[in-house]
Amino acid sequence: QLQLQESGPGLVKPSETLSLTCSVSGGSISDNVYYWDWIRQSPGKGLEWVASIYYSGNTYYSPSLKSRGSISVDTSKNQFSLKLTSVTAADTAVYYCAKRWAPSAGNFIDFWGQGTLVTVTS
Amino acid sequence: QSALTQPASVSGSPGQSITISCTGTGSDVGSYNLVSWFQQHPGKAPKLLIYEVTKRPSGVSNRFSGSKSGNTASLTISGLQAEDEGHYYCCSYVRDSIPVRFGGGTNLSVL
Repeated sequence: QLQLQESGPGLVKPSETLSLTCSVSGGSISDNVYYWDWIRQSPGKGLEWVASIYYSGNTYYSPSLKSRGSISVDTSKNQFSLKLTSVTAADTAVYYCAKRWAPSAGNFIDFWGQGTLVTVTS
Repeated sequence: QSALTQPASVSGSPGQSITISCTGTGSDVGSYNLVSWFQQHPGKAPKLLIYEVTKRPSGVSNRFSGSKSGNTASLTISGLQAEDEGHYYCCSYVRDSIPVRFGGGTNLSVL
């Protein structure tokens, strides 16, 4: 059974960089039918797609990040990571990592991590 | 990018059926049969209910069904149960550079 686990600091100061890692177990991050996503949810709000990566390194970002985001993959560790620079209070959210089937295979997310709360505060 | 449009809240009585709509545009919902639906309970990760508009993952009750007409997708829950209370989100493919667009979410109350 696939499992995803987010890790990273729960508190980040304004203007600093948020860094999160998602560790994938029970499956290979290099499987060519999957994409790997970061999705966030601000307190009391809805889901927001943040970024995606394919095992080959192709990356995709939400326009709302305004070039502050960077997603990377480490196939040797079966992990992928998110960095978000110049954070503000608006970046406070539960961040989920997730596995998504490629658009050619349905484009649906069937596995999620448990989520990790990141609070931007001085 | 704008979120897909869902009603903020819906309610129903146990045993009844309800439908949650998800309205997009001809560039997302209307262009692809790549709409999925999620259920989320407080403090939990979302759970996949429907994918590719109408398909149900193994283990999801057949009380949940999906459909689409034009730019609007719908999730129908029949035989409402108390455990169905929670938030529901739709999701659509847009294009390769924006593979995921969520709806704003709908809060379902079972009265």
